Amino acid sequence: DAKTTQPPSMDCAEGRAANLPCNHSTISGNEYVYWYRQIHSQGPQYIIHGLKNNETNEMASLIITEDRKSSTLILPHATLRDTAVYYCIVSSGGGADGLTFGKGTHLIIQP
Amino acid sequence: GAVVSQHPSRVICKSGTSVKIECRSLDFQATTMFWYRQFPKQSLMLMATSNEGSKATYEQGVEKDKFLINHASLTLSTLTVTSAHPEDSSFYICSADRTGVDEQFFGPGTRLTVL
Repeated sequence: DAKTTQPPSMDCAEGRAANLPCNHSTISGNEYVYWYRQIHSQGPQYIIHGLKNNETNEMASLIITEDRKSSTLILPHATLRDTAVYYCIVSSGGGADGLTFGKGTHLIIQP
Repeated sequence: GAVVSQHPSRVICKSGTSVKIECRSLDFQATTMFWYRQFPKQSLMLMATSNEGSKATYEQGVEKDKFLINHASLTLSTLTVTSAHPEDSSFYICSADRTGVDEQFFGPGTRLTVL
């Protein structure tokens, strides 16, 4: 079973920040939090990952709580092309382990 | 960025036939590749881990004799669905591990329809 819990769906207005929550209360000390997204009928796309500290890249920001039991993915200025299913995954293997996908959050960006 | 391709992108076959799906890492070498399956409106499910030069490791419940995996080179893994049946119709997605990079690179997927 997936070790993360996410809301099944969320709406966000275009141009606004999209904040996607994820609970991972059973995360182990050596496990990272990864975020991938899947646009309809395509392969998943890596977004960002982190261990303890908050992370930011050109796509998004990742905020991890101090106890590491939850995190939030932030898309700062959502566009229609950000409509996708977003998966929060915990993994200790980097790219070397198979990933356990949960049900994800279907983010719909509204014009 | 690293690119992973899959071929074919879409295949329709008759029940009882075998179908081969290729997964290639185009600009890097991948010691390890992964195969996932995704049914409509469901999430991805890991089927097997493909290691170059050795036997694949299958997840519980995945029949190794039905889903044959060959990883003969550092840039190519193949998945053969043998004696395909309509219940094997699904979206098959591969991914590759690039040494030193903490993410997996996914292919675009192959849509298999078994009539």
